Amino acid sequence: DIQMTQSPSSLSASVGDRVTITCRASQSISNYLNWYQQKPGKAPKFLIYAASSLQSGVPSRFSGRGSGTDFTLTISSLQPEDFATYYCQQSYSTPFTFGPGTKVDIK
Amino acid sequence: QVQLVESGGGVVQPGGSLRLSCAASGFTFSSYGMHWVRQGPGEGLDWMASIHYDGTNKYYADSVKGRFTISRDNSKNTLSLQMNSLRAEDTAVYYCAKYGCSGGRCYLDYWGQGTLVTVSS
Repeated sequence: DIQMTQSPSSLSASVGDRVTITCRASQSISNYLNWYQQKPGKAPKFLIYAASSLQSGVPSRFSGRGSGTDFTLTISSLQPEDFATYYCQQSYSTPFTFGPGTKVDIK
Repeated sequence: QVQLVESGGGVVQPGGSLRLSCAASGFTFSSYGMHWVRQGPGEGLDWMASIHYDGTNKYYADSVKGRFTISRDNSKNTLSLQMNSLRAEDTAVYYCAKYGCSGGRCYLDYWGQGTLVTVSS
């Protein structure tokens, strides 16, 4: 199975900050990498697929990069509604494993 | 608009069984693969199972293989998860999710609100 790790596990930031989250796969997954956002008590929301393609309706302050084993999710200017937990997920092979999540909270 | 509504959660004793359902609307259900993902209390997302659009292929996480069965009824736009031999560690919110693809890259683009399963004596 492909293992996914994320760093940091949590971070504190202020509105307007630039935030970057890293996701790493245990083997090469090309760009079969998705990102999701989850707020407390809510279902996850799909943000990015193929490592860097924004889902329709997702604000352009979100961006993704990477290929192979190393990926990043960047929020260029953090907004109040962006405080949440972010998960990466590989869709290269089953089981479609998720990373452990990165919680972004208010400094 | 796409809607996924899970039901069937509840409290069950260890070793017991439960059947979850997910009612789909707002898209052509029979054209899309579907997945189950769970989230234990205070934990992250845990992929459980998936089924092809026509039900021909099914995949499971090792943790539930042989105990859980994913199925679908395309005539009723319904996805199901039969859970047997339940354990305390199966306690979680269970989400169904629609499988979407673009340019050969696939993802879970719509999620239900989840249904809580508690395994406890």
